[in-house]
Amino acid sequence: QQQVKQSPQSLIVQKGGISIINCAYENTAFDYFPWYQQFPGKGPALLIAIRPDVSEKKEGRFTISFNKSAKQFSLHIMDSQPGDSATYFCAASKGNRDDKIIFGKGTRLHILP
Amino acid sequence: KAGVTQTPRYLIKTRGQQVTLSCSPISGHRSVSWYQQTPGQGLQFLFEYFSETQRNKGNFPGRFSGRQFSNSRSEMNVSTLELGDSALYLCASSLQGTQETQYFGPGTRLLVL
Repeated sequence: QQQVKQSPQSLIVQKGGISIINCAYENTAFDYFPWYQQFPGKGPALLIAIRPDVSEKKEGRFTISFNKSAKQFSLHIMDSQPGDSATYFCAASKGNRDDKIIFGKGTRLHILP
Repeated sequence: KAGVTQTPRYLIKTRGQQVTLSCSPISGHRSVSWYQQTPGQGLQFLFEYFSETQRNKGNFPGRFSGRQFSNSRSEMNVSTLELGDSALYLCASSLQGTQETQYFGPGTRLLVL
């Protein structure tokens, strides 16, 4: 019940295309869903986050879509650029600060120039 | 504002030894979390400290321990090292906890021989 399942494990997209990464969770108590981006040799950095009171959140070329009934959320990267090549992690945690955050296993994204 | 710093950046140890890793959070941040990152398991939560108290703990053996000092700096200790402990150890800081933006350090890469 504590898992966050992320797919695909790796993804190759042409420049200008749409990159889509999916995550599924089981625990309905989760209410904070961030996405982190990690470049080689660096620590992860928050990209965008969503809470279940909205179904979609957009920041520039990055959009999170959230489906509460299906317990799924996804990251869409529009007009993908070579600079977006990185590893992406989804995560989930509960509103209670006394609980831990669970990360997906990551998606290695490569954008072809 | 200076980012999260971790020392050392690289470390080589042999089985059975112990190791201490250090993390200095962003000034004003009271929450420090530690993660283990491996290619197979992704990012796994180790523990979180807030105001010198361990608030959350992941599913790791007791060989993994940590502490936080009054200035919010944190240390992580691993005793009786095993080959499987080879990983990138990341720390992240935030104002209040994992329910908000966490700022990750560059990590300490530990190799156990």
